Amino acid sequence: DQQVKQNSPSLSVQEGRISILNCDYTNSMFDYFLWYKKYPAEGPTFLISISSIKDKNEDGRFTVFLNKSAKHLSLHIVPSQPGDSAVYFCAAWIHGSSNTGKLIFGQGTTLQVKP
Amino acid sequence: GAVVSQHPSWVICKSGTSVKIECRSLDFQATTMFWYRQFPKQSLMLMATSNEGSKATYEQGVEKDKFLINHASLTLSTLTVTSAHPEDSSFYICSAASPGRPYEQYFGPGTRLTVT
Repeated sequence: DQQVKQNSPSLSVQEGRISILNCDYTNSMFDYFLWYKKYPAEGPTFLISISSIKDKNEDGRFTVFLNKSAKHLSLHIVPSQPGDSAVYFCAAWIHGSSNTGKLIFGQGTTLQVKP
Repeated sequence: GAVVSQHPSWVICKSGTSVKIECRSLDFQATTMFWYRQFPKQSLMLMATSNEGSKATYEQGVEKDKFLINHASLTLSTLTVTSAHPEDSSFYICSAASPGRPYEQYFGPGTRLTVT
């Protein structure tokens, strides 16, 4: 049961253009959504997060949009740079009992930014 | 961002032996750390949640007697893969939760385990 889905395994964009990475989820109980960037053989690097009560969060070149009615979020990178080439994971946080919780990750989307 | 280290970065061991992986939070105290596993071209799957001073909480399907987790201090959690088998070969990644924001996790560089 894949609760967080990234349906596009790969995306290629030209340097300077906008990159839009998409993520869909099924569980309306998720509290936070996050985007991570990952290079091969390295751990994920936190990029940006958004609370489930917000619809937009911006940090520099990165903006995350949340559409709760559609259970969809997206990460916009503007302008895209070759150094942005990596695998991007969407993740959702769900609260458990006793102040615990866990992150559920999507499958990842490989972004290639061409010079 | 916060720095989390893992050691070793890669290890090869023989079937039946045990391997210990260390995860350290270098610049903040982490009451909660997480252990993930990633298979090639797949997502990160949570194995267990490690809480300082208490027993780890394992996800369904993860054998707690095989994957021993110890969180002895606020900056160190260890994962021991006991009696390793080739199917345990994988990329193991730990993370430390940001104080007060457990959803915001900082990941270590990962450990590549190969069991021969």
